[in-house]
Amino acid sequence: DAGITQSPRHKVTETGTPVTLRCHQTENHRYMYWYRQDPGHGLRLIHYSYGVKDTDKGEVSDGYSVSRSKTEDFLLTLESATSSQTSVYFCATQGANSPLHFGNGTRLTVT
Amino acid sequence: AQTVTQSQPEMSVQEAETVTLSCTYDTSENNYYLFWYKQPPSRQMILVIRQEAYKQQNATENRFSVNFQKAAKSFSLKISDSQLGDTAMYFCAFMMWSGGGADGLTFGKGTHLIIQP
Repeated sequence: DAGITQSPRHKVTETGTPVTLRCHQTENHRYMYWYRQDPGHGLRLIHYSYGVKDTDKGEVSDGYSVSRSKTEDFLLTLESATSSQTSVYFCATQGANSPLHFGNGTRLTVT
Repeated sequence: AQTVTQSQPEMSVQEAETVTLSCTYDTSENNYYLFWYKQPPSRQMILVIRQEAYKQQNATENRFSVNFQKAAKSFSLKISDSQLGDTAMYFCAFMMWSGGGADGLTFGKGTHLIIQP
């Protein structure tokens, strides 16, 4: 959908290890977002970007960092993964005054 | 800040029935967008329908239509002739007219719709 690729699709990692999730888009959309989805919480915004090297925090940003060195790539890093970060992570992009387009999600399990 | 409320965590209907999912929102803005997204078991997020607040006419996409009541801040989704493939989580979302950013987009917590054969 809208040329958004998330990698990896699934990942299992241990508590305390660093993890990086990647989002790649081919639509040249300005805005990019990282959400996490948990039962009973819907989608919650972690971080977003409004341009290359321009990022800002969302609702649940603690424990996460992001980087956007190119328009097409938006990376989400868990510096030291915790069990509370077990979740499904979605990347989304957005053009001017248009809906969000989502990637297929990454299921992350922290053991 | 905007809020979006979906009061029905789960609904179940028989195939071919019509079902309505409710969504209310709170905003002080006059111009904005509203969306319904569908998330089937495949996990993919699919845009179902969109509504611009300045349009009085309710949006329609095939079997999907909305009842947009701006004064009441209500945005319900009606699915006619429901099909087994409609089984999914449905999310209502609000977007400010200015577009993206952290304050610009808000999702409800979702309604799990089950279509029974």
